[in-house]
Amino acid sequence: GNSVTQMEGPVTLSEEAFLTINCTYTATGYPSLFWYVQYPGEGLQLLLKATKADDKGSNKGFEATYRKETTSFHLEKGSVQVSDSAVYFCALSDAVQGAQKLVFGQGTRLTINP
Amino acid sequence: ETGVTQSPTHLIKTRGQQVTLRCSSQSGHNTVSWYQQALGQGPQFIFQYYREEENGRGNFPPRFSGLQFPNYSSELNVNALELDDSALYLCASSFARGGISDTQYFGPGTRLTVL
Repeated sequence: GNSVTQMEGPVTLSEEAFLTINCTYTATGYPSLFWYVQYPGEGLQLLLKATKADDKGSNKGFEATYRKETTSFHLEKGSVQVSDSAVYFCALSDAVQGAQKLVFGQGTRLTINP
Repeated sequence: ETGVTQSPTHLIKTRGQQVTLRCSSQSGHNTVSWYQQALGQGPQFIFQYYREEENGRGNFPPRFSGLQFPNYSSELNVNALELDDSALYLCASSFARGGISDTQYFGPGTRLTVL
């Protein structure tokens, strides 16, 4: 079945550093791809998405490009802040019976030190 | 625009009991999905409700059941609770047309602890 593999964490960076969190996927067809962020004790917030190959999703300084040739959707940010500390999940959309479900990676915990 | 809300926030039950979790979808959305997130893991799809019927289910046993109401809110019921059911339960709503749903937006979750 369809699956998502994320860069293992935890990742610790200093404020203003460049961030990359790797995400690759296995899928039949061309699913939509998502990054969600989870702050401590909270649910998931949609960070960005891309629905077709070569699309770039962006939000709050984060970017990710849907790469069909490498089946990847890596998350990047040029200058991280302490407030970016959270767990980041890469996900793809998948059909199951008549529903559209999300398939998530295992998550990458990011800690930004001042 | 009201976001997705869930209740209760936290819940403690003992093994063998039954639990009901509730979710109100975001305004304008007609589809609700439920996910289970064990500690340190990514969320796992339980099932999805559209037009008050279950239209897709993940790898969860029948003791996990649900309902969707005419106002698109939803309940997740779990019978005969087991220790492994301890998790964060997330509800997500979306808009579906012709059965194809758009981006899912999540609520804050209900933390269930089974003792």
